[in-house]
Amino acid sequence: GAVVSQHPSWVICKSGTSVKIECRSLDFQATTMFWYRQFPKQSLMLMATSNEGSKATYEQGVEKDKFLINHASLTLSTLTVTSAHPEDSSFYICSATQGIDTEAFFGQGTRLTVV
Amino acid sequence: GEDVEQSLFLSVREGDSSVINCTYTDSSSTYLYWYKQEPGAGLQLLTYIFSNMDMKQDQRLTVLLNKKDKHLSLRIADTQTGDSAIYFCAETNNNDMRFGAGTRLTVKP
Repeated sequence: GAVVSQHPSWVICKSGTSVKIECRSLDFQATTMFWYRQFPKQSLMLMATSNEGSKATYEQGVEKDKFLINHASLTLSTLTVTSAHPEDSSFYICSATQGIDTEAFFGQGTRLTVV
Repeated sequence: GEDVEQSLFLSVREGDSSVINCTYTDSSSTYLYWYKQEPGAGLQLLTYIFSNMDMKQDQRLTVLLNKKDKHLSLRIADTQTGDSAIYFCAETNNNDMRFGAGTRLTVKP
């Protein structure tokens, strides 16, 4: 199947700093990318949907200014956690699709720990 | 690394039962999930099962878990055309999460 690469896999940062997570589709053009967050012992929560070249659509309760999403090209979307706090520590995962009614392929996920 | 596999396609007639199968390799899985993805939308959690359970039923959905064989299945009773979607199984060991490639379920009238 298609490959989605997410980087970094693990990151530890200090409170107040910003962290950028990249999601790349390596062998296909991803018109839509989804960003999810997983809280410990819970299921995934959809944070936002991003379409190439347009602003991301955020789910209710997700702070747009806190979680900046950029989908500047058909192969790259980034999630920046700004002014990170310990409560932002979580597992973040992206998925990418080529378009409506196509399969979604997942990145490996990023474990963020804010200290 | 650990892996999750599922068949890519399943086609059933409306009113029949659908069974979507999934196998995984992580012996330390704690939770296993079934998600549904409709066209253009994100994942929707359908149901989940804790790894020490064998079965969970929720209305038309039945999840069976064979932990020894690392086999998970989702049965949809009385399948409707609105059930047509891509279904993903996923497992977590509380450190990270792994997904199958998704099974496209097509329901024919």
